[in-house]
Amino acid sequence: NAGVTQTPKFQVLKTGQSMTLQCAQDMNHEYMSWYRQDPGMGLRLIHYSVGAGITDQGEVPNGYNVSRSTTEDFPLRLLSAAPSQTSVYFCASSGTRLSGANVLTFGAGSRLTVL
Amino acid sequence: TQLLEQSPQFLSIQEGENLTVYCNSSSVFSSLQWYRQEPGEGPVLLVTVVTGGEVKKLKRLTFQFGDARKDSSLHITAAQPGDTGLYLCAGASGGSYIPTFGRGTSLIVHP
Repeated sequence: NAGVTQTPKFQVLKTGQSMTLQCAQDMNHEYMSWYRQDPGMGLRLIHYSVGAGITDQGEVPNGYNVSRSTTEDFPLRLLSAAPSQTSVYFCASSGTRLSGANVLTFGAGSRLTVL
Repeated sequence: TQLLEQSPQFLSIQEGENLTVYCNSSSVFSSLQWYRQEPGEGPVLLVTVVTGGEVKKLKRLTFQFGDARKDSSLHITAAQPGDTGLYLCAGASGGSYIPTFGRGTSLIVHP
């Protein structure tokens, strides 16, 4: 059982470039979310989705875009990378509103460096 | 403004010592989770506490949820080097199902 799979694990970008971080889960979870982790800042929510076709902004959404066309996939797009987006990104999924919505299963993370 | 305040931010202790990590908020949570994260990996769930005053034990780890469901603590007895990692508390409040996280407590246990 793969759980939550993130790709790539490492990426280096130049300022202004765009890219997509991929996230897939095989647990049939309704909820999916993206967090960024910076030293001393904990995990901050970027965007989340409560089901296919439904997305919403979190605490730090600027510069990022998401879509949820299927239950399994929740890609995160950086539109024009900036050095401030250098971070480790985690995708997570959780159950349903009726069961386990608050309990997250995380991917292994994607370390992004923007030069 | 951080919804969940964790303390201390750093802990460096010797093997065999006891420690407590605190997670405090002014908000009421329907449930609160504790995660542990090792370098290069994603956080992994340790426990969920749901009922005010609840105490859960996981081997040498004891988790407590405050009576008012606004705070929680994690106590480790006789810490071991394998306990080294980043401990994170998380909770959802105000009807949201998406949790917010504290800033974490980085624990190092020296042999």
